[in-house]
Amino acid sequence: GAGVSQSPRYKVAKRGQDVALRCDPISGHVSLFWYQQALGQGPEFLTYFQNEAQLDKSGLPSDRFFAERPEGSVSTLKIQRTQQEDSAVYLCASSSPPWDRVYGYTFGSGTRLTVV
Amino acid sequence: DAKTTQPNSMESNEEEPVHLPCNHSTISGTDYIHWYRQLPSQGPEYVIHGLTSNVNNRMASLAIAEDRKSSTLILHRATLRDAAVYYCILTRGSTLGRLYFGRGTQLTVWP
Repeated sequence: GAGVSQSPRYKVAKRGQDVALRCDPISGHVSLFWYQQALGQGPEFLTYFQNEAQLDKSGLPSDRFFAERPEGSVSTLKIQRTQQEDSAVYLCASSSPPWDRVYGYTFGSGTRLTVV
Repeated sequence: DAKTTQPNSMESNEEEPVHLPCNHSTISGTDYIHWYRQLPSQGPEYVIHGLTSNVNNRMASLAIAEDRKSSTLILHRATLRDAAVYYCILTRGSTLGRLYFGRGTQLTVWP
């Protein structure tokens, strides 16, 4: 596609509910990142994939957070037993080295998760 | 990763130039300087990046101090559409890797 697509755009979850957030990267992009952005803050790194391999998950805040990219394209970020502090915008970005050195990363518009 | 320092907010009038400063006093020789911006309700957008020399592209110019401890993003003629949060980010080495955004500078453009 022309850009990075994220769905749903908005998600309201009751505390304790599981949620799944989807990211469709630009076709052919090898690298995929997930970021979490709390209100009034800059995005913070969660995890990184190169194709289907999850190379860095050091930013995941707890074992309730899980990400996958089984076929090296679409990725899903899953949050189990959501808590209020999980309320944030979840951003996905993709890139294709070495072109990321010229064009940077392309971000989606994010999924705004509200836990009530 | 080396840290950057930016003012919390800046203001400009439409069609005037804007100079957005960034301090990175602990920058290392292999750190690249990247700028992204984030419009309301959008994900961040790549603006420009550089290593040592000043850089120009269709969106902006990047002026890098000779000692590389600071840089300035220059918008030559601000428009209302340039109102956004601007992030100055350092990345190390030949791969971009994860980005450390900080809180950025909120730019307000007045008509």
